[in-house]
Amino acid sequence: SQQGEEDPQALSIQEGENATMNCSYKTSINNLQWYRQNSGRGLVHLILIRSNEREKHSGRLRVTLDTSKKSSSLLITASRAADTASYFCATASGNYKLTFGKGTLLTVNP
Amino acid sequence: NAGVTQTPKFQVLKTGQSMTLQCAQDMNHEYMSWYRQDPGMGLRLIHYSVGAGITDQGEVPNGYNVSRSTTEDFPLRLLSAAPSQTSVYFCASSYSHTGTNTDTQYFGPGTRLTVL
Repeated sequence: SQQGEEDPQALSIQEGENATMNCSYKTSINNLQWYRQNSGRGLVHLILIRSNEREKHSGRLRVTLDTSKKSSSLLITASRAADTASYFCATASGNYKLTFGKGTLLTVNP
Repeated sequence: NAGVTQTPKFQVLKTGQSMTLQCAQDMNHEYMSWYRQDPGMGLRLIHYSVGAGITDQGEVPNGYNVSRSTTEDFPLRLLSAAPSQTSVYFCASSYSHTGTNTDTQYFGPGTRLTVL
């Protein structure tokens, strides 16, 4: 069963614009993670936010977490063509299992 | 460090054949796991291990076996391949599973398996 669900399923923007992706989940979590996957490649970890944190930054990435709404958002600022990839949220709920959503496909047009 | 390595990169099997997908990590990670990725389904956990000699089932374990005899290696065995097992398989590892948290996962490049 899917825990995290990303929204939108696909997003197309122009280079330089900001991209926002959302993730909703159903049960309480210990942490929430975002990953990027380039076509045909393995997943690369972007950022981890713990349940007692509300916001984290890493370079051009900003992640927020609202545990009362069971939702998270990933913001990529000043996007580049190289940001084109699928982005997944994953939730850790205290049972040694990391549960992934179905992903958002981001296309950044030059 | 090589990180997480997987072999083979591609494999074609006939229905009923068996095979082992190899996964190794050189980061001394305790936690290792196997996922399958199907179009429109995201990643689904097959089996995981929290240390040598300890394995447990994930979301979709049927048709797969695992063992963890060393910290470094975590092979995935397909007992009798079926077309429904056509997928891309990813191995991942993590340094820490402090308490009940699952921390940052490091993924291998994947094995693309086709079962005819």
